Amino acid sequence: DIQMTQSPSSLSAFVGDRVTITCRASQSINSNLNWYQQKAGKAPKLLIYAASYLQSGVPSRFSGGGSGTDFTLSISSLQPEDFATYYCQHSYITPFTFGPGTKVDIK
Amino acid sequence: QVQLQESGPAVVKPSETLSLTCTVSGGSISGYYWTWIRQPPGKGLEWIGYVYSSGDTYYNPSLKTRVTISVDTSKNQFSLKLSSVTVADTAVYYCATTLIRGVLGASDIWGQGTMVTVSS
Repeated sequence: DIQMTQSPSSLSAFVGDRVTITCRASQSINSNLNWYQQKAGKAPKLLIYAASYLQSGVPSRFSGGGSGTDFTLSISSLQPEDFATYYCQHSYITPFTFGPGTKVDIK
Repeated sequence: QVQLQESGPAVVKPSETLSLTCTVSGGSISGYYWTWIRQPPGKGLEWIGYVYSSGDTYYNPSLKTRVTISVDTSKNQFSLKLSSVTVADTAVYYCATTLIRGVLGASDIWGQGTMVTVSS
């Protein structure tokens, strides 16, 4: 199985800050990387697919990048509604494993 | 728009079989992959497996000996069965799908999730 890691595991930031989360795969997954946002008690929401494609309806302050084994999710100007846990997931070969998550909270 | 709704028992006894159904509304189940994902309380997401509308399945090897995912196109439903459950199977179970054409595995539609507790 391909293992996914994320860093940091948690971060505190101010509204308006630029935030970057990193995801690393244990082997090359090309661009088969997805990002989700999950708020407490809710189902995850797809933000980015295929490493850099913004899902319909997701604000443009979210962006994704990377290929191979190293990927990033960036939020250009953190908004109050962005405080949540973020997960990466590869979709290169089954099983489509998730990273352990990065919790973003208010500083 | 397509919506998913999980249903099934909230409590399952140890060693028994967990059975959940996901009903698809607002669209056809045909031509897409249908996924189950779970999340133990306070923990991360675990991909369980998926079924194509033809019935082809793909399971997480960590659960492969205990899991069965099936599809009923006549009812626009797909199901999860997990046998020989233990307390470690206590989790919120989500059904999900990918409606983005040409993209496999990026789940853009999710059910609300159903909490299943394994307890005697």
